[in-house]
Amino acid sequence: AQKITQTQPGMFVQEKEAVTLDCTYDTSDQSYGLFWYKQPSSGEMIFLIYQGSYDEQNATEGRYSLNFQKARKSANLVISASQLGDSAMYFCAMREGRTSYDKVIFGPGTSLSVIP
Amino acid sequence: DTGVSQNPRHKITKRGQNVTFRCDPISEHNRLYWYRQTLGQGPEFLTYFQNEAQLEKSRLLSDRFSAERPKGSFSTLEIQRTEQGDSAMYLCASKLAGNNEQFFGPGTRLTVL
Repeated sequence: AQKITQTQPGMFVQEKEAVTLDCTYDTSDQSYGLFWYKQPSSGEMIFLIYQGSYDEQNATEGRYSLNFQKARKSANLVISASQLGDSAMYFCAMREGRTSYDKVIFGPGTSLSVIP
Repeated sequence: DTGVSQNPRHKITKRGQNVTFRCDPISEHNRLYWYRQTLGQGPEFLTYFQNEAQLEKSRLLSDRFSAERPKGSFSTLEIQRTEQGDSAMYLCASKLAGNNEQFFGPGTRLTVL
């Protein structure tokens, strides 16, 4: 069974607009962590944001925020004020269990294109 | 540059040959990870090390694959008797145990002809 689902293979957004990238996950663990990574066409994976399962507040990092809905098992990434440089693949990922158990599972990704 | 480095960046080989990739993590990072990424997919976990100890291996890591981190610093990933299905990007990442973020290298793109 898929642990991480990203239902949007491709998304378009107008420059300066906000966009939400969807992610749902499947785990029976109470302790887990959720990540978003960006992968531009150059190939490097860039860490964007992290949310722990026990964090009460939604994580934010600059223009990135994570809309964490634990009961729905969703961890959507919101990018505000999109820029042309945001065009990339975006991967949602999950670490199950304690921080010391460190295997991270990635979703299939969403391709975001920012239109001028 | 103090980031994660990987060599070579590209490797083209013929089916049946052996290949070895190297990853140099960020110097103080004690955890090191190998992933494989095929076109249009997210990275798939292969294995990870804490210092020199290999803590977990994915079922994806067949007996043709072996990874080492002999002194707890750099790591090598060797693929023996390569097959066309091994063609992929091989990514290395490192982090400090207890921290959340994994820092990724630029990857080694393997093409098996």
